Amino acid sequence: EVQLLGSGGGLVQPGGSLRLSCAASGFSFSSYAMSWVRQAPGKGLEWVSAISDTGDDTYYAGSVKGRFTISRDNSKNMLYMQMNSLRAEDTAVYYCAKDVNWNIAMASFDYWGQGTLVTVSS
Amino acid sequence: DVVMTQSPLSLPVTLGQPASISCRSSQSLVYSDGNIYLNWFQQRPGQSPRRLIYKVSNRDSGVPDRFSGRGSGTDFTLKISRVEAEDVGIYYCMQGTHWPWTFGQGTKVEIK
Repeated sequence: EVQLLGSGGGLVQPGGSLRLSCAASGFSFSSYAMSWVRQAPGKGLEWVSAISDTGDDTYYAGSVKGRFTISRDNSKNMLYMQMNSLRAEDTAVYYCAKDVNWNIAMASFDYWGQGTLVTVSS
Repeated sequence: DVVMTQSPLSLPVTLGQPASISCRSSQSLVYSDGNIYLNWFQQRPGQSPRRLIYKVSNRDSGVPDRFSGRGSGTDFTLKISRVEAEDVGIYYCMQGTHWPWTFGQGTKVEIK
């Protein structure tokens, strides 16, 4: 059974940093691209960042580019998101999602984690 | 960015009746390999999103056959042939063809 377990969310002040983690199991993690998708309270879904199977290729939404860094450790089946210079508008539930592809040329997310809440507030 | 426009945004439906959600993209979603990476997701209250349909019309394993997707180019539709109580939630279309990948605003399906 595919499982994606997100963690690392919490309350952080504007300008602060946070590192999200996503533990993957039940599939060959190193064979698939992964993404982070967020959902602000009461709002819709917004794709944030993607990483290819090897980690060689990454891509970011304009709203987070230069502030967030996606990475992965295939030896540990872990996906990460380092979030710096956080703003109030980054407040959201962050989901990790598994892609059906190995690369990030196109996207289709067949499994999602349970989400971890990030709150940016003073 | 490709804008995905869903309608309606709210859809009250009688149990057992059909429902239809439209999703239009601001540009063609045909990828260079000839495929259209248009997905539909269901998000039940308090839950994570779940993929229902991929590449316009392919139903995921375990998804009831009352759900169907169709469309081409820039115009896509998700249909529920007979709405059941468990179908309550928000439905999103998402394009995975053009960077950055984008979602529609979501359509809230509720029971009348």
